[in-house]
Amino acid sequence: GQQVMQIPQYQHVQEGEDFTTYCNSSTTLSNIQWYKQRPGGHPVFLIQLVKSGEVKKQKRLTFQFGEAKKNSSLHITATQTTDVGTYFCAGPTYNAGNNRKLIWGLGTSLAVNP
Amino acid sequence: GAVVSQHPSWVICKSGTSVKIECRSLDFQATTMFWYRQFPKQSLMLMATSNEGSKATYEQGVEKDKFLINHASLTLSTLTVTSAHPEDSSFYICSASERKSWEQYFGPGTRLTVT
Repeated sequence: GQQVMQIPQYQHVQEGEDFTTYCNSSTTLSNIQWYKQRPGGHPVFLIQLVKSGEVKKQKRLTFQFGEAKKNSSLHITATQTTDVGTYFCAGPTYNAGNNRKLIWGLGTSLAVNP
Repeated sequence: GAVVSQHPSWVICKSGTSVKIECRSLDFQATTMFWYRQFPKQSLMLMATSNEGSKATYEQGVEKDKFLINHASLTLSTLTVTSAHPEDSSFYICSASERKSWEQYFGPGTRLTVT
């Protein structure tokens, strides 16, 4: 079945270092989404990428969607302690009732040492 | 915008009792709502998807008679854990999507402990 794989599972960085998490899908995606979950919190929608090769930036965060629309990355420049959390990518699919749902990566947990 | 509330935020119940969790979209119409379960340091496990006014679609391996889902209106969905057992203890999170949108907006979650 359709799978979304995400690496690395964990990453520890010193504050100020860069961080990247990668997401790969077993199938071509119509879009890919990224979410952030702070420790003890709930996932929060960050962004959706739709176009092949698309690059979007949100301050220090850069999101890319691969040309083949099967992979994506999230890069954080100069990490801060506020970036701590788990970053999930998710790809669209349909359930047995033909309703929309997301396939989730396992997430990358980011720890930042001050 | 896109705020989802969930109640209660935590609940402790005795084994064999039932617990109802409410999920509300506060500022948009949620044509689709999702119920997830999340274990510590793990990803989100989708339990079921529900559309307003229709029966929920459960993921493989999720017991529909144990986890009753009702999506009675465009702003409210409920999950009832029936005859709860300690292994049902978990973090349950709902999310909601607007019509024709893939983006999901999550509630703050409910931590269920069954003793």
